[in-house]
Parts: sequence; structure tokens; C-alpha cells
Amino acid sequence: DTEVTQTPKHLVMGMTNKKSLKCEQHMGHRAMYWYKQKAKKPPELMFVYSYEKLSINESVPSRFSPECPNSSLLNLHLHALQPEDSALYLCASSHQMAVSSGNTIYFGEGSWLTVV
Amino acid sequence: QQQVKQSPQSLIVQKGGISIINCAYENTAFDYFPWYQQFPGKGPALLIAIRPDVSEKKEGRFTISFNKSAKQFSLHIMDSQPGDSATYFCAASPPMSFNKFYFGSGTKLNVKP
Repeated sequence: DTEVTQTPKHLVMGMTNKKSLKCEQHMGHRAMYWYKQKAKKPPELMFVYSYEKLSINESVPSRFSPECPNSSLLNLHLHALQPEDSALYLCASSHQMAVSSGNTIYFGEGSWLTVV
Repeated sequence: QQQVKQSPQSLIVQKGGISIINCAYENTAFDYFPWYQQFPGKGPALLIAIRPDVSEKKEGRFTISFNKSAKQFSLHIMDSQPGDSATYFCAASPPMSFNKFYFGSGTKLNVKP
């Protein structure tokens, strides 16, 4: 079982709603990630946090707002989403320095988001 | 521009057979090549990974073959089992990149009993 826990597993929200996705890991990892995955497609990187600081923002629209309250938690705040934002949102973490390649990334099971 | 190209898109193999999935990349700076396995409704899980200083890595029934000069790498699943039925993604990552992976498009493997 994955050690990256995501809640909720399923979320349906209207285009005017504000909601949040939550992610937690207790592996002592200092890098955390948000990915978006559409059906039959590979994951797409959205954000990378390294030591609780935002290191990569892949030009994600501002209606997605990440937050890293501490080294174990990662949130993704959602506001004014569009139906095309419906997807599986994956949180992931990796050990220590994310800057070097080769650190195993551990994915959570994801949050299925439907925007109506 | 797709940095990592993966084929085939789908693959059907009989139980006990060998499954082979291929990936090709362009960026010679890539220095880490993982394969991820994803079951329906689950997040991807690291299966096996290789660095370009070795030509082959084996873990149980799973083997990565790496050809640096051809900029290609492949996943071989020996004695394929129905439980191996999943989507497989190859990926590549350059150094100093905050683990930014370039994923292949995925291969859906179906192992028939």
C-alpha cells in the first residue's frame, strides 16, 4: 500500500466552488509533487515543492493554488475550475534533495476530480 | 515535442510469454530512466529504473535493456502473468531537474490466462 495518502478519493465540484485536495506522507521526504492525469495519458507535472518551498510551477493556471504547510502535508486549492480540469490528481513525494534525478517518486492513489 | 516516445500503445500477451515495451528518447542529458506500473484506479508505482552507465538491469521477472548509442531502452517482462496486466509508463529525467520526469505515452498490457 502506498505511504502517500490523498483525500478525498473522489470529488465533484461546480465551476463556482472552492475545494481543496489534501496529501500527507510520513516517510520523511522533503520533496512533494502534484501531478494531473487524464484518462489513458501519462501524469503531467504541475508543481514541485522542495523543503516546503515551491520549486517548479509548470505554468499551471492560477485557479490551482498549491500550499505546503509543513514537510508532511501538501494541499491543492481549487477555485473556479473548468470541466476540462476533470482528471485524476496525483500527489507524490521523494527523498531529500529533489534537485538531483534518480530519487524514487512515490505516488498516492490520487483524487478523482469531476467538475460540473 | 515529445521527449520520450513509447511503443506499442497496447500489447496482448499469453500467460507465460514475454512482454516487451520500447522507449526512445532524444535528450542525451537524461541520466535516469524509470519504469512505472499503474493499475486501474491506482497511482503509478516504480517498477524498475536504470542509469545510462549500465546496459541491463534485472529485478525478478523484469529487465530493463538500455542502449545508450541508440538512445533506446526497453522493458522485458518474462513469464508474464495476468496480474501484470496494467499500464506501463517509461520515463526519463535530466540531472538537476527536481525529478522532473518526461513520461512516455504509456502501454496498456493485457496478459491473457
